Amino acid sequence: ETGVTQTPRHLVMGMTNKKSLKCEQHLGHNAMYWYKQSAKKPLELMFVYSLEERVENNSVPSRFSPECPNSSHLFLHLHTLQPEDSALYLCASSQEGGRTSGANVLTFGAGSRLTVL
Amino acid sequence: SQQGEEDPQALSIQEGENATMNCSYKTSINNLQWYRQNSGRGLVHLILIRSNEREKHSGRLRVTLDTSKKSSSLLITASRAADTASYFCATDTPWYNNNDMRFGAGTRLTVKP
Repeated sequence: ETGVTQTPRHLVMGMTNKKSLKCEQHLGHNAMYWYKQSAKKPLELMFVYSLEERVENNSVPSRFSPECPNSSHLFLHLHTLQPEDSALYLCASSQEGGRTSGANVLTFGAGSRLTVL
Repeated sequence: SQQGEEDPQALSIQEGENATMNCSYKTSINNLQWYRQNSGRGLVHLILIRSNEREKHSGRLRVTLDTSKKSSSLLITASRAADTASYFCATDTPWYNNNDMRFGAGTRLTVKP
């Protein structure tokens, strides 16, 4: 384990369901990320939280709703998803101190494989 | 948007051979990182090279950076079957906040025993 835990590892949901992905990090990091990985495409940065505040949202559809209640936990709430949203969703964390050192090294979880029927 | 682009998309070699993967990017960077991903798992950080460095080594890994060509290469020497994975470069740009890491689509490396 890397210190970043994602649950569930696999999720199958219908287009009308509401579900959530959870990410927890035990590294003392203060920045957390959601990435979407689709087959043969670059990783897509979805959301960034730094010190529990959202600092970046790369124009993600509103059917994806992030929540960061504290620096150790990150959620991705899912509702009325589309089949094209099926992908591997990766959570990552880093130490905000990378901002001043110019080195932002990410630690990833194992991912949540989402299938939308 | 700024992101690394890896080349080739796929590479297949025999155990013991060297594997070279390339990454190109479009704008100035603070640093460039290489990550590895085993099938269906998360990415694992391998090595970071800063914009003022030209070469870096870590075990069997050698990374070069040419900022004039906006390119980097990852060399894995004496490859092993366990090196089979996808390899990604990631760029960290100065005018994004430093929480914005951009990745390419990766190079899929297969090492045959």
